[in-house]
Amino acid sequence: GQNIDQPTEMTATEGAIVQINCTYQTSGFNGLFWYQQHAGEAPTFLSYNVLDGLEEKGRFSSFLSRSKGYSYLLLKELQMKDSASYLCAVRGSFSGTYKYIFGTGTRLKVLA
Amino acid sequence: EPEVTQTPSHQVTQMGQEVILRCVPISNHLYFYWYRQILGQKVEFLVSFYNNEISEKSEIFDDQFSVERPDGSNFTLKIRSTKLEDSAMYFCASSEATASYEQYFGPGTRLTVT
Repeated sequence: GQNIDQPTEMTATEGAIVQINCTYQTSGFNGLFWYQQHAGEAPTFLSYNVLDGLEEKGRFSSFLSRSKGYSYLLLKELQMKDSASYLCAVRGSFSGTYKYIFGTGTRLKVLA
Repeated sequence: EPEVTQTPSHQVTQMGQEVILRCVPISNHLYFYWYRQILGQKVEFLVSFYNNEISEKSEIFDDQFSVERPDGSNFTLKIRSTKLEDSAMYFCASSEATASYEQYFGPGTRLTVT
């Protein structure tokens, strides 16, 4: 089967660093995405990893280990506006076709 | 900055009725997607579309659903006979290419089936 696990909620302080983990089980792995979703809004793309290692983009970095089925999103210098849900999504094959599977999201609260 | 637009923002329909949700993807994008998100639940992939054909679809995308690109700008999702459980936010997205490319999501259409 296919499954994605990420923590339901996390809390961090403004200016701090937070790491949101994601583990997945899927066949035919073809990339892992991180999205940010503010309440009542559409997801916005943050990062994409298909090879092992770290991808850095400003305050956000994403890491992938394909052998461990593991990724994390690292947010540095947290700001109040970073309070949102962070969605881990995997593109994998199932019954011969590719599709996107999303985790339930991690709701991050940034406190002053 | 170019953006994906969707209409209507909110659609209320009675069970059994047909609905068409409309999307205008970003103009130079080639790949189009529909997702749905039931309130409080995770985002679910429905279908991807390229070169006037469905490329990939999930098990949710059954015979009640269809997609079409009727002209050079619109991309539609039709639900033939709506059920209560179709009530959700439906997001359209587009990307320049598939897989590694950033998908830009529209603001969504909230579908309420009564």
